[in-house]
Amino acid sequence: DTGVSQDPRHKITKRGQNVTFRCDPISEHNRLYWYRQTLGQGPEFLTYFQNEAQLEKSRLLSDRFSAERPKGSFSTLEIQRTEQGDSAMYLCASKDTGPRQYFGPGTRLTVT
Amino acid sequence: ELKVEQNPLFLSMQEGKNYTIYCNYSTTSDRLYWYRQDPGKSLESLFVLLSNGAVKQEGRLMASLDTKARLSTLHITAAVHDLSATYFCAVDSGAGSYQLTFGKGTKLSVIP
Repeated sequence: DTGVSQDPRHKITKRGQNVTFRCDPISEHNRLYWYRQTLGQGPEFLTYFQNEAQLEKSRLLSDRFSAERPKGSFSTLEIQRTEQGDSAMYLCASKDTGPRQYFGPGTRLTVT
Repeated sequence: ELKVEQNPLFLSMQEGKNYTIYCNYSTTSDRLYWYRQDPGKSLESLFVLLSNGAVKQEGRLMASLDTKARLSTLHITAAVHDLSATYFCAVDSGAGSYQLTFGKGTKLSVIP
């Protein structure tokens, strides 16, 4: 399968813990995006990378959130000191030079 | 701030009927996207509309774009149960980032 993959698919954590998610984009896609989707809502943009450079961050991305894309391949999204409001589906998408973004299966985070 | 509004948010229709989902947006972007999401799943790209007057069709779904009215429609012809899902429209900022702003989605239920 050459689609976007994300790991883990589900994560349950206690409030205050740190969590890290991984996204592997489609091979040779230079752009990678992170979105967050809460129940009953559309996805909201968090941040994106072109190769290894993080070019834009949403105001939704508080100081507790950090994303990296070392070497321009896979990306990680870390949330420190998780809060219940962080419970959501975290979606990763990648694209090449065309406009279409291809989404991964998502990581569902539940903060108890 | 870019806003994307879909209506209706919920749609229950009988098999064999036709219906249209509307997507209004507040920017001058010419790029409009339609995605499908099944419960608990990620987003599947349906259509990418890149210019005024663009029309794309796939099976029982047809999407169109009117950039002057800032309106896109997703028309469903002779609905079947397999079309039951949530449909999102999204607009990108028109700048180089291609970051997407999504509507809240239209939850479609096709009843036999």
